[in-house]
Amino acid sequence: DAGVTQSPTHLIKTRGQQVTLRCSPKSGHDTVSWYQQALGQGPQFIFQYYEEEERQRGNFPDRFSGHQFPNYSSELNVNALLLGDSALYLCASSFGLGSTGETQYFGPGTRLLVL
Amino acid sequence: ELKVEQNPLFLSMQEGKNYTIYCNYSTTSDRLYWYRQDPGKSLESLFVLLSNGAVKQEGRLMASLDTKARLSTLHITAAVHDLSATYFCAVALYNFNKFYFGSGTKLNVKP
Repeated sequence: DAGVTQSPTHLIKTRGQQVTLRCSPKSGHDTVSWYQQALGQGPQFIFQYYEEEERQRGNFPDRFSGHQFPNYSSELNVNALLLGDSALYLCASSFGLGSTGETQYFGPGTRLLVL
Repeated sequence: ELKVEQNPLFLSMQEGKNYTIYCNYSTTSDRLYWYRQDPGKSLESLFVLLSNGAVKQEGRLMASLDTKARLSTLHITAAVHDLSATYFCAVALYNFNKFYFGSGTKLNVKP
């Protein structure tokens, strides 16, 4: 049973560029959440997708956008990259919108470096 | 906005010793999660605590939740070097899967 997968594993971009990160949830999961983890910090919630719609959003600017596909996989897009966007981006999957309290399962992350 | 505070942020301890990591949060919640993260790796789920008084144990780690005090603890018994990692607590508001994470406790167990 494959867990949460993410691609790419590492990425280097320059300021002003755009980036797309991808995530496939754990088998049987239909909800995908994205988190940003800066070095030495805890993960910060970006947004969550369920039934192909953004359901919740954290305190991130509109430069951060996403999408969920019918197969439940998801993309995170970041436009007009800033140096401060350098971080580990984690995808987490779960079933439903959390009504059962089940934990989220995290992928290995994509490490983004903006130069 | 829900705030989650962990302490200590750094913990260096000898093998065989006991210690407790504390996780305080600012808003009523009965959903508390503990994760472990090794350097350069993702987060591994350790415990899920879903009610007041919940206690879970796995090996040398034991987690508890006091929803009235808005406090969770992660107790380490007879630490071993393999427990060296960063430990995060996360709180979710009822019926939502938006997790609020603490800053993490970096644990170093010295042989």
